[in-house]
Amino acid sequence: DGGITQSPKYLFRKEGQNVTLSCEQNLNHDAMYWYRQDPGQGLRLIYYSQIVNDFQKGDIAEGYSVSREKKESFPLTVTSAQKNPTVFYLCASSVMTGGTNEKLFFGSGTQLSVL
Amino acid sequence: GENVEQHPSTLSVQEGDSAVIKCTYSDSASNYFPWYKQELGKGPQLIIDIRSNVGEKKDQRIAVTLNKTAKHFSLHITETQPEDSAVYFCAASFGDYFWGKLQFGAGTQVVVTP
Repeated sequence: DGGITQSPKYLFRKEGQNVTLSCEQNLNHDAMYWYRQDPGQGLRLIYYSQIVNDFQKGDIAEGYSVSREKKESFPLTVTSAQKNPTVFYLCASSVMTGGTNEKLFFGSGTQLSVL
Repeated sequence: GENVEQHPSTLSVQEGDSAVIKCTYSDSASNYFPWYKQELGKGPQLIIDIRSNVGEKKDQRIAVTLNKTAKHFSLHITETQPEDSAVYFCAASFGDYFWGKLQFGAGTQVVVTP
C-alpha cells in the first residue's frame, strides 16, 4: 500500500526536550516537505528537500532541524526552542517532473504536545 | 511574499444546496492552485487543482474557477452531502517552478446539515 507514513500519531514532550518525528514515503517521490498546522489555522512550510543530502528552509524553520539521508525518509527534529503547546505536523511529498503530475500529497500527521 | 486569503471561515449549508469558498492571492507569478479537504485528526487530501492556463475545472460535484486578472479562485461544491463536512483549504504556489512550496489559506469549516 503506497503512501506517506508519519509516526507517532501523538507525541508528548517535556519542556527543554528535543523530539524527532518520523516520515517515510514509498511513492518514489523526489521531494519531501514538513508543514506545521496550528489549531484553527492554515499550513506553514518548515523545511523541504528536493534531493538526498540537501534541504532548504521554509517560512518558519527556526527551532527545527531535518536530515535527508535516504530518498524515502525525511525526519524532523523539534527542539526545545519551540514553545507552542500543541502543534500538528504534516509531512508531504511530490514528484519533480515539472509537469502536471507535480502534486503535493500529505501524510496523516503527528500531533505534538508540550507537557 | 505570497499571501492567500480565504473566505468565509465557516460555512453552514443544508444538504443538497451548493457551497462556495473564495480565495485571493497576491503573487502574480503563482500558477498552481490546489484545494484540500481535511477531516478531523487527518492529513489534508487533495480534491481538485487548477493551473494558470485554465479558467475552470470540474470533477463530478466539485468545480474550481480561476480569475488570474483579479487574482482570485473559488471552490464550488454542488448537491452537498453530510460527508462533505470538513475543513477546506485553498493554496497557491509561490515561485513559478516548485509546486510543493505552497502558501495556504486559513481554511473554511464546512458543515452540511441533513
